[in-house]
Amino acid sequence: SAVISQKPSRDICQRGTSLTIQCQVDSQVTMMFWYRQQPGQSLTLIATANQGSEATYESGFVIDKFPISRPNLTFSTLTVSNMSPEDSSIYLCSVEVGGGRTEAFFGQGTRLTVV
Amino acid sequence: QKEVEQDPGPLSVPEGAIVSLNCTYSNSAFQYFMWYRQYSRKGPELLMYTYSSGNKEDGRFTAQVDKSSKYISLFIRDSQPSDSATYLCAMSGSSAGGTSYGKLTFGQGTILTVHP
Repeated sequence: SAVISQKPSRDICQRGTSLTIQCQVDSQVTMMFWYRQQPGQSLTLIATANQGSEATYESGFVIDKFPISRPNLTFSTLTVSNMSPEDSSIYLCSVEVGGGRTEAFFGQGTRLTVV
Repeated sequence: QKEVEQDPGPLSVPEGAIVSLNCTYSNSAFQYFMWYRQYSRKGPELLMYTYSSGNKEDGRFTAQVDKSSKYISLFIRDSQPSDSATYLCAMSGSSAGGTSYGKLTFGQGTILTVHP
């Protein structure tokens, strides 16, 4: 399996500000994914991040609100911009191990509260 | 209609019981099926993954896939209080851009409590 570290693990932010979440993997992976888990809800995919290309966003998510960087094969960031209380969620980083393996592994998540 | 439907529970069982968790799906492109366990305030932990129809066993856990019925199940034998968690089914498959195993569609999750 892949070991995925997310920072910060939690944060409380003021509305109108931005937060950047970091995701570090202990091995090189081709594809990384960002998910959102709203309170009491399941996980929803925000975007797919490939190294060296623009992230691909799912319906309902836009780059201006959730800019993503993928500078190398072990690291990615997700920024939640101009936050409102509706952005209070758990944000999770996931990786596809590749190499013929089909499993996807998750980080511990970042619990964001916007006040 | 959601692409993946999962009985939300909550489900409460006595220790030692056999637990059955189920999901149905509508997208025929789904080829890979996973079950995750999520403890409170933790990220999802991969429990089982399967590709083809049939059964896959790992210790007390058995994953079952019936592609013809678009139905998957997770069975937990001899359930323990430590199994108390939210169980999420997840699926991935081919799309116009190719197969992405990590691009998952999740069910709503079933909250399971195993009481001593």
